[in-house]
Amino acid sequence: AQSVSQHNHHVILSEAASLELGCNYSYGGTVNLFWYVQYPGQHLQLLLKYFSGDPLVKGIKGFEAEFIKSKFSFNLRKPSVQWSDTAEYFCAVNIASGTYKYIFGTGTRLKVLA
Amino acid sequence: DAGVIQSPRHEVTEMGQEVTLRCKPISGHDYLFWYRQTMMRGLELLIYFNNNVPIDDSGMPEDRFSAKMPNASFSTLKIQPSEPRDSAVYFCASSPSFDSPLHFGNGTRLTVT
Repeated sequence: AQSVSQHNHHVILSEAASLELGCNYSYGGTVNLFWYVQYPGQHLQLLLKYFSGDPLVKGIKGFEAEFIKSKFSFNLRKPSVQWSDTAEYFCAVNIASGTYKYIFGTGTRLKVLA
Repeated sequence: DAGVIQSPRHEVTEMGQEVTLRCKPISGHDYLFWYRQTMMRGLELLIYFNNNVPIDDSGMPEDRFSAKMPNASFSTLKIQPSEPRDSAVYFCASSPSFDSPLHFGNGTRLTVT
């Protein structure tokens, strides 16, 4: 069955530290890839997306992600985090094969210390 | 654009009672999704609709759960009878096409005592 794995469940960083959150998916066909962010008490919002083309995509608030097809990965990065980046981050995969699937990872809680 | 609107924001009910959650998707969005979020399981897709038709309900936990979309601007998720293990945040989301990002509502926090 298709799945999305986020290996880091909780991450704690100091401000200005660099961030990398891992995301791997299990599906051999064509996928669309997303990262969503959920700030405390709020709904999920789109951070960035990859459909095709340049595997390095840039999103809002200085975030970027790199699609590595051979590794089935779509890791999220930010060179220097801020306290306001404290949130939960979800990787998601959209599969259009047979029945349309939109699968989320279990999320990574990021806490940035001021 | 008011975004996806869910009601109520919070619902506290006793075990055995019927619970109805409501969602108004963004106008023009052909896809509507219901997700459940818990600490243990994260975000689980319960069911999704395309043009008001249920396409995949394989995520619905059991017969106590049902969802309807009588028209393009309204959907309900009903739990009857409710149980304490149904306590979670239920999100509704919509999108204009199958490969578009999802637009989420603010969720309904359900507590079943």
